[in-house]
Amino acid sequence: DTGVSQDPRHKITKRGQNVTFRCDPISEHNRLYWYRQTLGQGPEFLTYFQNEAQLEKSRLLSDRFSAERPKGSFSTLEIQRTEQGDSAMYLCASSLRGQNEKLFFGSGTQLSVL
Amino acid sequence: QKEVEQNSGPLSVPEGAIASLNCTYSDRGSQSFFWYRQYSGKSPELIMFIYSNGDKEDGRFTAQLNKASQYVSLLIRDSQPSDSATYLCAVLNTGTASKLTFGTGTRLQVTL
Repeated sequence: DTGVSQDPRHKITKRGQNVTFRCDPISEHNRLYWYRQTLGQGPEFLTYFQNEAQLEKSRLLSDRFSAERPKGSFSTLEIQRTEQGDSAMYLCASSLRGQNEKLFFGSGTQLSVL
Repeated sequence: QKEVEQNSGPLSVPEGAIASLNCTYSDRGSQSFFWYRQYSGKSPELIMFIYSNGDKEDGRFTAQLNKASQYVSLLIRDSQPSDSATYLCAVLNTGTASKLTFGTGTRLQVTL
């Protein structure tokens, strides 16, 4: 257990529904990242926050995706109007101030869109 | 050309042997390199990082970096069945703040 927790662990939804995932990073970590991983692939960067500021978003992140970190602590990732292609493992990671490249990943949320 | 390339494997080595995992990257200005281990159904776990040319050793693991040739490798000595996992190479590219780019991973199987 790295100390990064994600909820839920699994989510099954129907196409067109909205889903929201939550991530609680390690408490002293100021950076929080969202990645997406599909079977047989490495994690793909989606977005990251430094404290409450969202500093970078991937071109992979369509308008249907939105992420927030309102108080610089936990973060949420929402996917609106889900599509079957959104099925993946959504991974959250956090990093320690001064050691920004060393990511500690949560267990992930496995999304299945039917 | 993919930014970070790895052979997907599986790489099969007998118990006690040395496993050699390789990774090449395209961004010549990359500064930091990482190896993550990912067991099936689990999330990635950082096992090694290297910033300078040469070798870096940590227990049974050795990371090797050659910036001129744009490759980084991971050696696992005295391989154990518990080392069976997918090993992900990750690179911190120039101008991308803290965004890591991952390869697709190499699946390692350590056989008895």
